[in-house]
Amino acid sequence: DAGVIQSPRHEVTEMGQEVTLRCKPISGHDYLFWYRQTMMRGLELLIYFNNNVPIDDSGMPEDRFSAKMPNASFSTLKIQPSEPRDSAVYFCASSRVNRAGGNEQFFGPGTRLTVL
Amino acid sequence: GESVGLHLPTLSVQEGDNSIINCAYSNSASDYFIWYKQESGKGPQFIIDIRSNMDKRQGQRVTVLLNKTVKHLSLQIAATQPGDSAVYFCAERTLLSYIPTFGRGTSLIVHP
Repeated sequence: DAGVIQSPRHEVTEMGQEVTLRCKPISGHDYLFWYRQTMMRGLELLIYFNNNVPIDDSGMPEDRFSAKMPNASFSTLKIQPSEPRDSAVYFCASSRVNRAGGNEQFFGPGTRLTVL
Repeated sequence: GESVGLHLPTLSVQEGDNSIINCAYSNSASDYFIWYKQESGKGPQFIIDIRSNMDKRQGQRVTVLLNKTVKHLSLQIAATQPGDSAVYFCAERTLLSYIPTFGRGTSLIVHP
């Protein structure tokens, strides 16, 4: 298995532009998570999906952020318009509940976003 | 004014030594705990987990200890190697939620 795939790996954009981050979870996983990581705040959960349905988006900073999961193998996180304070590394992770009740998350390599 | 970033706790060890990374959690209802390792430029990677009905679990060169009385979790790495240099996160989860809460992380630096 290729693991969680994210694209692009790096994105540099100007303030006000739309940014779309993409994620392909591991096949068979029914949970998908979007995180943001910064030095100031650490790893923050933005939103997560279960069976393609958004369950909790309370971590989404504001209306400029939106996420979709049209099918089990694809999700997007969109920022429109982007602002310099959105600069961070964005991680996608997927998981499934195992027989023991655990649900280790498998993280993608992340997208490093820089908004100028 | 200038903003100041938060610095992670750092543990520096010599190659071959044993390392102990500590984590305090606050939710007494947490029943499942996970340790992740994050190398520079990569996403966090699962290392080992432990359920609240256990107080110790061993993996390859790693041991996790759980003390529910004082809400403390530790990760022990035996014979630490330069490749172990990374940021280590603990995460906790409650029985009712499959969503883990991550700690701030500890930076481990292994000197050859």
